[in-house]
Amino acid sequence: NAGVTQTPKFQVLKTGQSMTLQCAQDMNHNSMYWYRQDPGMGLRLIYYSASEGTTDKGEVPNGYNVSRLNKREFSLRLESAAPSQTSVYFCASSEAGIGGTEAFFGQGTRLTVV
Amino acid sequence: AQSVAQPEDQVNVAEGNPLTVKCTYSVSGNPYLFWYVQYPNRGLQFLLKYITGDNLVKGSYGFEAEFNKSQTSFHLKKPSALVSDSALYFCAVRLPPSGSARQLTFGSGTQLTVLP
Repeated sequence: NAGVTQTPKFQVLKTGQSMTLQCAQDMNHNSMYWYRQDPGMGLRLIYYSASEGTTDKGEVPNGYNVSRLNKREFSLRLESAAPSQTSVYFCASSEAGIGGTEAFFGQGTRLTVV
Repeated sequence: AQSVAQPEDQVNVAEGNPLTVKCTYSVSGNPYLFWYVQYPNRGLQFLLKYITGDNLVKGSYGFEAEFNKSQTSFHLKKPSALVSDSALYFCAVRLPPSGSARQLTFGSGTQLTVLP
């Protein structure tokens, strides 16, 4: 029972490098999310996907792009990494259109940009 | 716009004592409210939620939360704290779906430390 799986778990990038964070869920959920977690700021939404084929900006989308590859997978891409993107990134999924369903989170990707 | 406030960054409590982690929210309409817990180097885990009905909601690991509409609060409580309850706790709010997905808005988190 994997739930939400993120890869990689850790990554160090140099400023200007690019990378893609992968996320997959096996719960047949319609909605998927990318959050970043910074000390004292809680979780902030970067992008979300209400359903396969749709994506929308969240609170802090600048510097990121996403792809909803299929119902299972939702990737986050940093085209040109900056030190301000040093953070812990979480992918989550939930049902949509059904009231009050909770989100399920992956274990996170700890990214350091030097 | 919706927002969540957790007024305490840190809460310390002795093992065996009752604990409360505070949360207030601001939203137009009737919200869905959630509590999540995060252990070190782990993702968030769902604890409990309020959708409608009884204002006292019971969740995992003996936690409960009381929804107070007049005070727009949703405080997390446990009658007797355990050292293993030490973790980072997040309150979150979500508006009911209305044909499209609505994202969760999280508070800034409260670090709970239970002292032996």
